[in-house]
Amino acid sequence: KQEVTQIPAALSVPEGENLVLNCSFTDSAIYNLQWFRQDPGKGLTSLLLIQSSQREQTSGRLNASLDKSSGRSTLYIAASQPGDSATYLCAVKGGGADGLTFGKGTHLIIQP
Amino acid sequence: DAGITQSPRHKVTETGTPVTLRCHQTENHRYMYWYRQDPGHGLRLIHYSYGVKDTDKGEVSDGYSVSRSKTEDFLLTLESATSSQTSVYFCAISASVTEAFFGQGTRLTVV
Repeated sequence: KQEVTQIPAALSVPEGENLVLNCSFTDSAIYNLQWFRQDPGKGLTSLLLIQSSQREQTSGRLNASLDKSSGRSTLYIAASQPGDSATYLCAVKGGGADGLTFGKGTHLIIQP
Repeated sequence: DAGITQSPRHKVTETGTPVTLRCHQTENHRYMYWYRQDPGHGLRLIHYSYGVKDTDKGEVSDGYSVSRSKTEDFLLTLESATSSQTSVYFCAISASVTEAFFGQGTRLTVV
């Protein structure tokens, strides 16, 4: 059974810092890995999708990397802003039609 | 934003009553999913559909049933609601083994 772990569970940093969120998964046979953002009381917003054949994806100040063989992904946030405060979720897609397996998230607070 | 609408957005119901949550999409995506989100457990898959009338169980399917009679609609039914089914329910869609998009969620409270 696939298990996804996110470290740290919570993180508080001052504005302007670069930071890294970590995600690990136990079964390397994945089709893709997706990073989401969730604001309190809201749905999930897709940030980045990395296919299993890719090493990284970038969108603005966000960069996600994937090392499938070691079962690890990182989300790098450059020049953090208070508006980046949210919970960040990592999820992997295995084979077949079934859905994503999620980590429990990293709760991020950016202090002004 | 992907065209996904969940209804209702909030519901309070009594133990033992049936409840149906609706997910409607305008993207014509083949795959639809129901998840629940609980503190300490994260998001877990309840049921999913890979086409009209084609559904299967996820990790936490006990006490839930689903139906998909049209591409755009995926219904989740709690046959007899229990307090353990108090949760936030999310619908998601995807075209294939690609990016998944989520609805805004339904907050269900069973009293």
